Amino acid sequence: GNSVTQMEGPVTLSEEAFLTINCTYTATGYPSLFWYVQYPGEGLQLLLKATKADDKGSNKGFEATYRKETTSFHLEKGSVQVSDSAVYFCAQIGSGNTGKLIFGQGTTLQVKP
Amino acid sequence: GAGVSQSPSNKVTEKGKDVELRCDPISGHTALYWYRQSLGQGLEFLIYFQGNSAPDKSGLPSDRFSAERTGGSVSTLTIQRTQQEDSAVYLCASSLPAQPQHFGDGTRLSIL
Repeated sequence: GNSVTQMEGPVTLSEEAFLTINCTYTATGYPSLFWYVQYPGEGLQLLLKATKADDKGSNKGFEATYRKETTSFHLEKGSVQVSDSAVYFCAQIGSGNTGKLIFGQGTTLQVKP
Repeated sequence: GAGVSQSPSNKVTEKGKDVELRCDPISGHTALYWYRQSLGQGLEFLIYFQGNSAPDKSGLPSDRFSAERTGGSVSTLTIQRTQQEDSAVYLCASSLPAQPQHFGDGTRLSIL
């Protein structure tokens, strides 16, 4: 079945470091892919999305490119800030026509000043 | 506000009791989803509504779980005879057709 696998956390970085959070998926076809972020004490927020192969989603300095060859959607940011500390979830649209999301297990990012 | 609203934000109850969790979606959003976030299982889909119908209930873990939606708006998730493994954060999301989902802040359910 469809699934999403993320790199295990927690990830601890110093401010201004480069961030990569790996995400791979298994699916039939080419589902839309998403990154959601959950800041401490808050709900899930959409960070970025890509709807087809080779699309690049970007927002707030974060980027992710839909790579069908490697079935990946890795999240990157060139220079992280303390305020980026949060839990990041990779997700895909599940099979069927419901739009339900299948999430990875989440990766906790802690950025230290 | 204009976001998805869930209530209560926290609920503590004794094992065996029934609980009701409420979700007010964004006005005009026809699709509504319930998810569960727990330490052991991560984020899991529970049920999907399109209008008042639930064409996908495949994620409900047992027949103790049920949900309804009325007026194409408010939804209630009911858990009967709660068990300790039901402890989790229950998240509601809504969307327009084929658009990204907007999530509420969730209800943290603790079963004693």
